[in-house]
Amino acid sequence: NAGVTQTPKFQVLKTGQSMTLQCAQDMNHNSMYWYRQDPGMGLRLIYYSASEGTTDKGEVPNGYNVSRLNKREFSLRLESAAPSQTSVYFCASNRKVRGETQYFGPGTRLLVL
Amino acid sequence: GDSVTQMEGPVTLSEEAFLTINCTYTATGYPSLFWYVQYPGEGLQLLLKATKADDKGSNKGFEATYRKETTSFHLEKGSVQVSDSAVYFCALRLLSAGGTSYGKLTFGQGTILTVHP
Repeated sequence: NAGVTQTPKFQVLKTGQSMTLQCAQDMNHNSMYWYRQDPGMGLRLIYYSASEGTTDKGEVPNGYNVSRLNKREFSLRLESAAPSQTSVYFCASNRKVRGETQYFGPGTRLLVL
Repeated sequence: GDSVTQMEGPVTLSEEAFLTINCTYTATGYPSLFWYVQYPGEGLQLLLKATKADDKGSNKGFEATYRKETTSFHLEKGSVQVSDSAVYFCALRLLSAGGTSYGKLTFGQGTILTVHP
């Protein structure tokens, strides 16, 4: 049981390049989330998927797209990276149960030059 | 909108000192409240939670009580250790009208705790 896994761990991009961050969970969770973490700002929700086949915008969706490929996998795509997207990205998942915690992946550190 | 405000850090303490990290929230409904901890280079881990007013969450010597009247969920520990050095996040999650959690978390900005021997 690996929990939530993310790839890659670290990536450097040039402005304008594209990339996809991968996330997978093996806990049979319905809901999955992408957050970004910036100094002094906590974690901000980018996109989430309440259940397989659905996705919704979070607090800071601009410049990102997501795909809920199946129940296990939820990817985040940057079509044209910008320096403002330099951040640490966390994927999380949980069951849709009252009081259920979210389980977080180890994070992807992205640097856009 | 919903929000969480944490006391500003960083917080620096000596080992065995008493810790309080303040957290207050604004929410339109009745949220569940959480404290997460992030150790250097790692993702977030749940530290404790409370799902209704007057509930006390506790884990690893940390405690927090859900105070609806003051909209607060302050984190406390009686005697901190060097290994408690980390970033601590307070968070809330609202329930839908039907009682099923949306799951979306709203986080505070985080408080960096450093404990010296």
